[in-house]
Amino acid sequence: GNSVTQMEGPVTLSEEAFLTINCTYTATGYPSLFWYVQYPGEGLQLLLKATKADDKGSNKGFEATYRKETTSFHLEKGSVQVSDSAVYFCAGGDTDKLIFGTGTRLQVFP
Amino acid sequence: GAVVSQHPSRVICKSGTSVKIECRSLDFQATTMFWYRQFPKKSLMLMATSNEGSKATYEQGVEKDKFLINHASLTLSTLTVTSAHPEDSSFYICSAPSGSGLNEQFFGPGTRLTVL
Repeated sequence: GNSVTQMEGPVTLSEEAFLTINCTYTATGYPSLFWYVQYPGEGLQLLLKATKADDKGSNKGFEATYRKETTSFHLEKGSVQVSDSAVYFCAGGDTDKLIFGTGTRLQVFP
Repeated sequence: GAVVSQHPSRVICKSGTSVKIECRSLDFQATTMFWYRQFPKKSLMLMATSNEGSKATYEQGVEKDKFLINHASLTLSTLTVTSAHPEDSSFYICSAPSGSGLNEQFFGPGTRLTVL
């Protein structure tokens, strides 16, 4: 069946460091891929998405490229801020249902 | 953007009582809504798909009689945790598809249930 695997956290970085959170998917087709972010005490918010191979989603300095050849959708940001501290979920779906990765907690220190 | 609300945001109840959680789509209609359960430091587990005008579809291992779902209208779905026990304590989240055909979902802010 379909599945989404993302790197375990927590990821601890200093402010302005480069961020990569790995995500790979397994699917029979080519699902839409998403990154959701959950700030402390809040619900999930869509961060970015890509709907087909080679698409790049971007938002708030974050980027992720839909790589068909490696079945990956890694999240990157060139310079993280303390306010980026949150839990990041990779998700994919080719129907209305979404399959989530386990989430990666990011902690950014000044 | 589209907004999904949940009520209440927090609830504390005694063991054996039932708790109802509401999920509303505020500015769009949703014939389908999803209910998730999030365990501490873990991912979201899809519990069931709520379908307006018909029975909910439950995921494997989710007790239908324990977690009653009613999709009363195109903007409201309710999850009732019946005869709650401490192990039901969790963060419950609902979502609704955006209707864009791209599998995007809008999530509610979640409801923290604590069963004493």
